[in-house]
Amino acid sequence: GAGVSQSPSNKVTEKGKDVELRCDPISGHTALYWYRQSLGQGLEFLIYFQGNSAPDKSGLPSDRFSAERTGGSVSTLTIQRTQQEDSAVYLCASSPSQSQNEKLFFGSGTQLSVL
Amino acid sequence: AQTVTQSQPEMSVQEAETVTLSCTYDTSESNYYLFWYKQPPSRQMILVIRQEAYKQQNATENRFSVNFQKAAKSFSLKISDSQLGDTAMYFCAFRMDSNYQLIWGAGTKLIIKP
Repeated sequence: GAGVSQSPSNKVTEKGKDVELRCDPISGHTALYWYRQSLGQGLEFLIYFQGNSAPDKSGLPSDRFSAERTGGSVSTLTIQRTQQEDSAVYLCASSPSQSQNEKLFFGSGTQLSVL
Repeated sequence: AQTVTQSQPEMSVQEAETVTLSCTYDTSESNYYLFWYKQPPSRQMILVIRQEAYKQQNATENRFSVNFQKAAKSFSLKISDSQLGDTAMYFCAFRMDSNYQLIWGAGTKLIIKP
């Protein structure tokens, strides 16, 4: 595609439910990043993929969070048993390679609201 | 640990004026990169300008320029001839040369008034 695509754009869920957030990076981009942006704050790193591998999962806040990437393309971030503190905008970004990570191309994010 | 501080939560100026957004950072590294990103209401982060720490010359992109003071660890963004479309959140970010992770400031909300 022309840009990074994220779906859904908005998600409202009940506490305790599982949610899946999807990211379609720019075709050919090998590096993919997930960030979380809470209201009034900067971006918090969650996880990084190089191809299908995740060499750095250090930012995942708890074991309720997991992510995978298949075919070196689409990535899914899963949050199990959602809590109210999980409410935030989840942003995905891709770049041609790790060495050029500063040229990050971002999606428009998923606004997650946990009631 | 590296940190990035943006001390101005919100700024407001008239269209066509010049505005400067502040950013300071803390690091013991000598090689690194600094960035300014813009986040409009669409939520999509857009790279505005970047600066390599080893370059003394301040980066410039059209109406956007930076004042990079390495000794003071300061990296301010100047927007000249501001336009309504410049209204957005602006984030300062830092990356070490040896690490791919970006460290982000909390952001400054910039409002350009007609």
